[in-house]
Amino acid sequence: SQQGEEDPQALSIQEGENATMNCSYKTSINNLQWYRQNSGRGLVHLILIRSNEREKHSGRLRVTLDTSKKSSSLLITASRAADTASYFCATDAVNSGYSTLTFGKGTMLLVSP
Amino acid sequence: DGGITQSPKYLFRKEGQNVTLSCEQNLNHDAMYWYRQDPGQGLRLIYYSQIVNDFQKGDIAEGYSVSREKKESFPLTVTSAQKNPTAFYLCASSPGGGARQPQHFGDGTRLSIL
Repeated sequence: SQQGEEDPQALSIQEGENATMNCSYKTSINNLQWYRQNSGRGLVHLILIRSNEREKHSGRLRVTLDTSKKSSSLLITASRAADTASYFCATDAVNSGYSTLTFGKGTMLLVSP
Repeated sequence: DGGITQSPKYLFRKEGQNVTLSCEQNLNHDAMYWYRQDPGQGLRLIYYSQIVNDFQKGDIAEGYSVSREKKESFPLTVTSAQKNPTAFYLCASSPGGGARQPQHFGDGTRLSIL
């Protein structure tokens, strides 16, 4: 099945710095989504980017998608301690004619004050 | 506020026991999902339901069962056949459209073996 793989597995930065996380996947997709998970909590949707889009912005978040390289990146600018969380990419996969999401293992981001 | 409520937050299972995890949503979403998350891992799909009275197996359905009798409710039963049930279980919903729309998640139930 298709699966996004995030890179790096863990990232530690200082407040104010930018954080970049990457996601690679194996087969063609319709869309790619990014989610955030605070420790012990559920996932929160951040951005959905469709296969015909190359870049999308939401506040301090910037997502790019390169379908030729089967990869996506999530950039968080001017990071804050509150951005400390795990970040997951998820790609759609066709399962008996109904698409479901396949999640990667995530990047754990630590932002130090 | 609309959202997804999972209960209980923590659950303990004895050997040979079935336990049921609750998931309720008031978002009026058609589709609901159950995922399992193990430490340091991504989410794996257990079951999903597109509409009431219909559900399909995901990637790791063995040892689990679900029902979808009401649009707002999608309970998951972890049966005694699931030999390694210790995990964090997450319920999600979406308006429909499969994976083409964002999913909204509850805050999970952590299941442990006694």
